[in-house]
Amino acid sequence: AQTVTQSQPEMSVQEAETVTLSCTYDTSESDYYLFWYKQPPSRQMILVIRQEAYKQQNATENRFSVNFQKAAKSFSLKISDSQLGDAAMYFCAVSGDKIIFGKGTRLHILP
Amino acid sequence: NAGVMQNPRHLVRRRGQEARLRCSPMKGHSHVYWYRQLPEEGLKFMVYLQKENIIDESGMPKERFSAEFPKEGPSILRIQQVVRGDSAAYFCASSRYGQGETQYFGPGTRLLVL
Repeated sequence: AQTVTQSQPEMSVQEAETVTLSCTYDTSESDYYLFWYKQPPSRQMILVIRQEAYKQQNATENRFSVNFQKAAKSFSLKISDSQLGDAAMYFCAVSGDKIIFGKGTRLHILP
Repeated sequence: NAGVMQNPRHLVRRRGQEARLRCSPMKGHSHVYWYRQLPEEGLKFMVYLQKENIIDESGMPKERFSAEFPKEGPSILRIQQVVRGDSAAYFCASSRYGQGETQYFGPGTRLLVL
């Protein structure tokens, strides 16, 4: 069985600062993918970043990067230079035979 | 490039009625997934379909819920005899190659059961 734990229900960060959202997971799959999705108030699910578990190099997409620690089963998301438009729910997910989502972290951006 | 389309965006039903939710995957995608999201919660997997086949329905309630993805036309999630507890956002996602690949989500259908 796969599980995803996001231990921070809510976080706040000052605009232009950096914030890290934590995620731990458990899976028995040997080959899997990890994702961060963003859900703004519109409730559209938007892919932020994806990491293949077999790759050691951390994925990066512009201001978004991950810290993937495979042995620790940790997959945190770092947002640099936070912007007001980053305010949203962020969901961590792991994909093996199906995608399992965490409960989410609500991120507030303080102007 | 059109993304994943879902309709209707909002659906109101009275208890005991049927709800039909439609999903058209992205062009070139033949794998469709349905998820349910209750307020203030994450998405819960319901069912995974390929054209004309149900691959994994382990997240589907045993009664009243069914899903199909016919050879032609959109995928349909059908809820018979809806109850208030069915009120939720239902999201459809699609991928090109199947499980493990990035899934692209539609805007969701908000179902409200009165």
